[in-house]
Amino acid sequence: QVQLVQSGADVKKPGASVKISCKTSGYNFTNQFIHWVRQAPGQGLEWMGIINPNDGTTNFAQQFQGRVTLTRDTSTATVYMDLRSLRSGDTAVYYCTRDHYGSSLYWGQGTLVTVSS
Amino acid sequence: DIVMTQSPLSLPVTPGEPASISCRSSQSLLHSNGFTYLDWYLQKPGQSPQLLIYLSSYRASGVPDRFSGSGSGTDFTLNISRVEAEDIGVYYCMQAVQTPQTFGPGTKVDIK
Repeated sequence: QVQLVQSGADVKKPGASVKISCKTSGYNFTNQFIHWVRQAPGQGLEWMGIINPNDGTTNFAQQFQGRVTLTRDTSTATVYMDLRSLRSGDTAVYYCTRDHYGSSLYWGQGTLVTVSS
Repeated sequence: DIVMTQSPLSLPVTPGEPASISCRSSQSLLHSNGFTYLDWYLQKPGQSPQLLIYLSSYRASGVPDRFSGSGSGTDFTLNISRVEAEDIGVYYCMQAVQTPQTFGPGTKVDIK
């Protein structure tokens, strides 16, 4: 069965960077895009960006451009999200999701990132 | 960016009764390929969101048939024919016709 397993919760200081992994299994890794979505505490869902695991091309929401990088390792079927220059407003649960006709059919369990001095 | 709105934002429901949520987009979600890129997600308390409906009206695998999606262009509706207690949570609509994908603010459904 399709699974997306994310790395564990993390606490960072303002200005630091965080790197979250999303290990996939149960399907052909290079065939489906991976999205990243985040959710601040008590808030709604916010789409961050997308990566094509086949060739590594990416597309980001404008508010994250220049601050986020998505990479993939095809040998381990893992996608990584690197967010830099963290601020308190980046405190959120970060989800990776697998694409299905543009939708997010499969979701990781979420990774809580807390930014606090 | 496409702005998504939902109504109501809070919906108390009675088990066994029908319920519906409306979603509106600031631009048409009809793609040139003929598909309409509107999704519905349910986030149950303490869980990751789950896809209910994609391409406006297609039920995702494993989703009970009491859930249905309808609409076109900029106006969409999620219907629950008979609400069950397990349906409580926050429902989000989302457009996938262009990036950035954008979500509605969510509709919180709870039991009356």
